[in-house]
Amino acid sequence: DSGVTQTPKHLITATGQRVTLRCSPRSGDLSVYWYQQSLDQGLQFLIQYYNGEERAKGNILERFSAQQFPDLHSELNLSSLELGDSALYFCASSVWARGYNEQFFGPGTRLTVL
Amino acid sequence: AQSVAQPEDQVNVAEGNPLTVKCTYSVSGNPYLFWYVQYPNRGLQFLLKYITGDNLVKGSYGFEAEFNKSQTSFHLKKPSALVSDSALYFCAVRERGRESGGGADGLTFGKGTHLIIQP
Repeated sequence: DSGVTQTPKHLITATGQRVTLRCSPRSGDLSVYWYQQSLDQGLQFLIQYYNGEERAKGNILERFSAQQFPDLHSELNLSSLELGDSALYFCASSVWARGYNEQFFGPGTRLTVL
Repeated sequence: AQSVAQPEDQVNVAEGNPLTVKCTYSVSGNPYLFWYVQYPNRGLQFLLKYITGDNLVKGSYGFEAEFNKSQTSFHLKKPSALVSDSALYFCAVRERGRESGGGADGLTFGKGTHLIIQP
């Protein structure tokens, strides 16, 4: 158990809908990362927050957004969902935002868009 | 842009034999390198990392990795494989110094290698 929690574990929804994925980082970790894992794209970095502020963006679609709250938990919002958005979404956390800090991953949220 | 290549989709090893999972990387400057393992229906678990210094890095569960700058490789190794090592292994890279702007940004992962240890 990495100490990173994600809810829900599974999510099934329809095209065009909007969903919110939630992540609680390890106690004391200030940096949160979101990744998408799909069969065709592999594991891709989406976005990073550090102590409430956006720090870096990866391959995140404009239909997706995220935020980190004062208690350091983070939410990833996915809207106007398409079939291709079906994937496993991971949250990871690290103590700081240093390049050499290893990231600790949550168990993921499996999103299925029908 | 940074990238990682794991040339083998699957590696099969008999239990008790040494194992190697290959990884090569590409970055503009110097790298931070990581290995993670993913068991079925679980998140990724950190195994080891290379930051600087000794080219041989030791990690969890008896795994080690050797950084080779000239070959831009960071192969994962274990002297004696266990059936319980069977899992999906990911190599990842981040370019050192990119955090100078204040952020670390995310890791760039390879496609992953399925390691199958046969009893």
